[in-house]
Amino acid sequence: QSVLTQPPSASGTPGQRITISCSGSTSNILSNAVNWYQQLPGTAPKVVICSNNQRPSGVPDRFSGSKSGTSASLAISGLQSEDEADYYCSVWDDSLNGPVFGGGTKVTVL
Amino acid sequence: QVQLVQSGAEVKKPGASVRVSCKPSGDTFTDYYVHWVRQAPGQGLESLGWINPNTGGTNYAQKFQGRVTMTRDTSISTAYMEVSRLKSDDTAVYYCAKLDYSSPRNYWGQGTLVTVSS
Repeated sequence: QSVLTQPPSASGTPGQRITISCSGSTSNILSNAVNWYQQLPGTAPKVVICSNNQRPSGVPDRFSGSKSGTSASLAISGLQSEDEADYYCSVWDDSLNGPVFGGGTKVTVL
Repeated sequence: QVQLVQSGAEVKKPGASVRVSCKPSGDTFTDYYVHWVRQAPGQGLESLGWINPNTGGTNYAQKFQGRVTMTRDTSISTAYMEVSRLKSDDTAVYYCAKLDYSSPRNYWGQGTLVTVSS
């Protein structure tokens, strides 16, 4: 059971916009910044959104993040086949004094 | 360019211990915590804990307390994670990582597959 709750799957056709939610609590998302990681099969996770809504250099601008209260969201607009991957939200938890992760969302491009 | 290079795959029997090493380069070793995260086959990411390379201070996830030990050797800029009393459900890819929630400076090792099998 993960500390952060994500839907197990999300899907869309090429060009569509999808969103992935991440639900936490007052000890993590409410108080601290959220990162989103993309993991392609057989590879290490890669950050696509940091600090709630900042996109690292090299990440396409179709990726965006937001946060409100104890929840965060990742949006992918103009969905492309190369976006098929697992996505994880992560945040520092003050009660646990360490990072926590969501269970992951598998994105499928139909 | 920051890189974290981990030791190679391991196969262990139940009850044994395993030690995985992680050598960051391209950055000052003592500037950032080294986190350890594992991923069982087909499962999500799970944090085991972290070590502060500057002080040696650690924090372990409650689930792993008493079974995981994180250390570092500053003379060779290497961090280590040891898991003892291995069980079959410890079979996973173990990653070391530098995580930063206020900047893009997030770096992950290539992962070390630990297989526990009799």
